[in-house]
Amino acid sequence: ETGVTQSPTHLIKTRGQQVTLRCSSQSGHNTVSWYQQALGQGPQFIFQYYREEENGRGNFPPRFSGLQFPNYSSELNVNALELDDSALYLCASSLRLALGNEQFFGPGTRLTVL
Amino acid sequence: DAKTTQPNSMESNEEEPVHLPCNHSTISGTDYIHWYRQLPSQGPEYVIHGLTSNVNNRMASLAIAEDRKSSTLILHRATLRDAAVYYCIPISSGSARQLTFGSGTQLTVLP
Repeated sequence: ETGVTQSPTHLIKTRGQQVTLRCSSQSGHNTVSWYQQALGQGPQFIFQYYREEENGRGNFPPRFSGLQFPNYSSELNVNALELDDSALYLCASSLRLALGNEQFFGPGTRLTVL
Repeated sequence: DAKTTQPNSMESNEEEPVHLPCNHSTISGTDYIHWYRQLPSQGPEYVIHGLTSNVNNRMASLAIAEDRKSSTLILHRATLRDAAVYYCIPISSGSARQLTFGSGTQLTVLP
């Protein structure tokens, strides 16, 4: 069973640019969530996709957008990058939305905005 | 989402039990209590979860107070690999059921 993978591992962008981060869910999982983790803080929920539809969103502006594909892989897109977008971006997949279901996290993508 | 309070940091000696407390006094009756941990340079990983009664798995035990306003994660024999930030996360029945991470407890395990 393949775990959650993310690409790229590290990325450096400049302010104003756009970035796309990718996530491959664990096999059979139909739900993916994205989190942003600033240095020294806990992860913050960005949004969640369930069966290719956005299912919930945290307190992030519209320039953060996402997609989930039929094979349940996912993308996080960030437009007009700002310095404060520098963070570790984590995706997590799960089988269903049941309260007790655990989420499986990938290793993250470290984004640096200069 | 229910608010949680955890100690910023705790220390334990290797091979000794560790009790990590969490207060979640505003938890609702249908919220599950999940614990995740994050090892250095890794994404968070699931540890255990429960609703009302105590729970055990191969990683840890979870003791939930009768009034559900607090819980304790118990590592029976801490190893160096258990050094991580531990997060207590009540999960509500909202549609997204996202994880709301607080600051967590940084556990240091001394050899």
